[in-house]
Amino acid sequence: NAGVTQTPKFQVLKTGQSMTLQCAQDMNHEYMSWYRQDPGMGLRLIHYSVGAGITDQGEVPNGYNVSRSTTEDFPLRLLSAAPSQTSVYFCASSPRVTGNTIYFGEGSWLTVV
Amino acid sequence: GENVEQHPSTLSVQEGDSAVIKCTYSDSASNYFPWYKQELGKRPQLIIDIRSNVGEKKDQRIAVTLNKTAKHFSLHITETQPEDSAVYFCAAIYHTGGFKTIFGAGTRLFVKA
Repeated sequence: NAGVTQTPKFQVLKTGQSMTLQCAQDMNHEYMSWYRQDPGMGLRLIHYSVGAGITDQGEVPNGYNVSRSTTEDFPLRLLSAAPSQTSVYFCASSPRVTGNTIYFGEGSWLTVV
Repeated sequence: GENVEQHPSTLSVQEGDSAVIKCTYSDSASNYFPWYKQELGKRPQLIIDIRSNVGEKKDQRIAVTLNKTAKHFSLHITETQPEDSAVYFCAAIYHTGGFKTIFGAGTRLFVKA
């Protein structure tokens, strides 16, 4: 199993551009989520999904969209990139919504200039 | 609101000493409390977790304690080693408006040889 795979690993965007961070998992996990990590602020939940066709907002959803058309894929879309979205983004998955290990992808380093 | 407070933000100890990191949460329905370790430039990985039906769990040099009444849980690392140097995150599951895993802001642990 590859686990949780994120692409791209590094990206530089100009303000106002849009892009999609891809995330796929091959563990048949129901639960998937996106976090952003900024210095001193830990891991903040952007959006999450408890299954195909179901998504919900986390702590910091503004400026991001998600969809979950399949169990395996959970892309994160930046609609109009802003410098405040410069961060490290982690996709994660777990077998159930509670009580099980969350597995993280390797992270995507995004810089918005 | 949905919040996990973590203290201290930075902790420096001498090799062989113990380290303690503390977290508090606000959702009384939370029943699962994992701890993650993140080494520089890498993804967070689970090191230990505890469920609400137990008060303490140990795994070699690490242990976690839980006080559900006070909504506190703590990570204890004994006989610290330089390879324990990393950022540690606590987390709790919030059930209000869905199932969300919320992380603390992290503790940067330095173990001096």
